[in-house]
Amino acid sequence: GAGVSQSPSNKVTEKGKDVELRCDPISGHTALYWYRQSLGQGLEFLIYFQGNSAPDKSGLPSDRFSAERTGGSVSTLTIQRTQQEDSAVYLCASWGQGGNEQYFGPGTRLTVT
Amino acid sequence: AQSVAQPEDQVNVAEGNPLTVKCTYSVSGNPYLFWYVQYPNRGLQFLLKYITGDNLVKGSYGFEAEFNKSQTSFHLKKPSALVSDSALYFCAVRDYGQNFVFGPGTRLSVLP
Repeated sequence: GAGVSQSPSNKVTEKGKDVELRCDPISGHTALYWYRQSLGQGLEFLIYFQGNSAPDKSGLPSDRFSAERTGGSVSTLTIQRTQQEDSAVYLCASWGQGGNEQYFGPGTRLTVT
Repeated sequence: AQSVAQPEDQVNVAEGNPLTVKCTYSVSGNPYLFWYVQYPNRGLQFLLKYITGDNLVKGSYGFEAEFNKSQTSFHLKKPSALVSDSALYFCAVRDYGQNFVFGPGTRLSVLP
């Protein structure tokens, strides 16, 4: 079946602009995660959605970052007033009941100039 | 709170030699343990997992990992490394919930 998809694959934006990154999880997966990965580095947890529960936002680095998940499926990560330090690959993953591992999307590479 | 350590930033091994990438963890309760691999400019790919049962688990691409409860370790191994195994490897742990914690990653270089 289809895996996790993310769009766009690459995004170049000017400092100060807002960006939206999209994640389509595997159909039926109840949990969705956003991570940030700086070049060749580890994963930084950002936010986690589970069903209809309130999201775990504990990893969001500032109030410029927000995310929503509509209808328990597609999620959008929004970064307002982008800064150069926001440049990274943003990874999305989903997880479903009955499974144990996360499935990752290919990521969105964000470059803030 | 759970945590994962990968004590080596970089592992170098000659092609054909056995490889080990180390992982230790801390979690309350029984752990769910995972290894993921990331090739350049790609997302993370699942390699293998330990949930319960045999301590030695086998996964994709000839990789295996051994769960050691007393040492709280889950080291990734392969009997004979390939140049194409060169990548970034992440160990992860999940507790009874759905919170996943990833290690910092280990870069594996297999030299021809």
